[in-house]
Amino acid sequence: DAKTTQPPSMDCAEGRAANLPCNHSTISGNEYVYWYRQIHSQGPQYIIHGLKNNETNEMASLIITEDRKSSTLILPHATLRDTAVYYCIVRVYNDYKLSFGAGTTVTVRA
Amino acid sequence: GAVVSQHPSRVICKSGTSVKIECRSLDFQATTMFWYRQFPKQSLMLMATSNEGSKATYEQGVEKDKFLINHASLTLSTLTVTSAHPEDSSFYICSAGQDHRSGANVLTFGAGSRLTVL
Repeated sequence: DAKTTQPPSMDCAEGRAANLPCNHSTISGNEYVYWYRQIHSQGPQYIIHGLKNNETNEMASLIITEDRKSSTLILPHATLRDTAVYYCIVRVYNDYKLSFGAGTTVTVRA
Repeated sequence: GAVVSQHPSRVICKSGTSVKIECRSLDFQATTMFWYRQFPKQSLMLMATSNEGSKATYEQGVEKDKFLINHASLTLSTLTVTSAHPEDSSFYICSAGQDHRSGANVLTFGAGSRLTVL
């Protein structure tokens, strides 16, 4: 699976949009971009995934660049409960296995 | 949505004893489940892939005789930490996958089981 690069940490203000970047320059055509988050002492939670089109669900939006070498997860209105480690993972579409990197520690401040 | 249940959420045991952790997919069947381990301030590390009706596949460096995995049904996988030692103290997390309408698949994770070996 392609490797991803994320900033180690970022802060954002409560109520504002949080934009989390992820680089995956070696992504191949059959690999999806997945985002998970892990709130302290809990199991990871699925957020969203995409192949090449932008995606939106009730939790977040995923913007994938046209060349697919990077993506941005957008939390439209961050709350204190969004404080977590966010993982960007690239994986072949039919492979269940997920490998986690270091992720981005996001701290939402009041 | 899909729910994966883990039990127990916390367990404390004495060194040398064995501990069993259960992972259940509550509203779907899972032929494959995954077990992860997470040490404090570190990311999740995949330990093994649990396959229903066959032997588990272990990642490099994970002792299969130490971490016994049984996937006896389509909704239950168990991880047994045998002869536990303090260095086995960790957060153990299981996951199971479901196919998504997009054609990809999504892993759902349990809440984790924190093992402390005294």
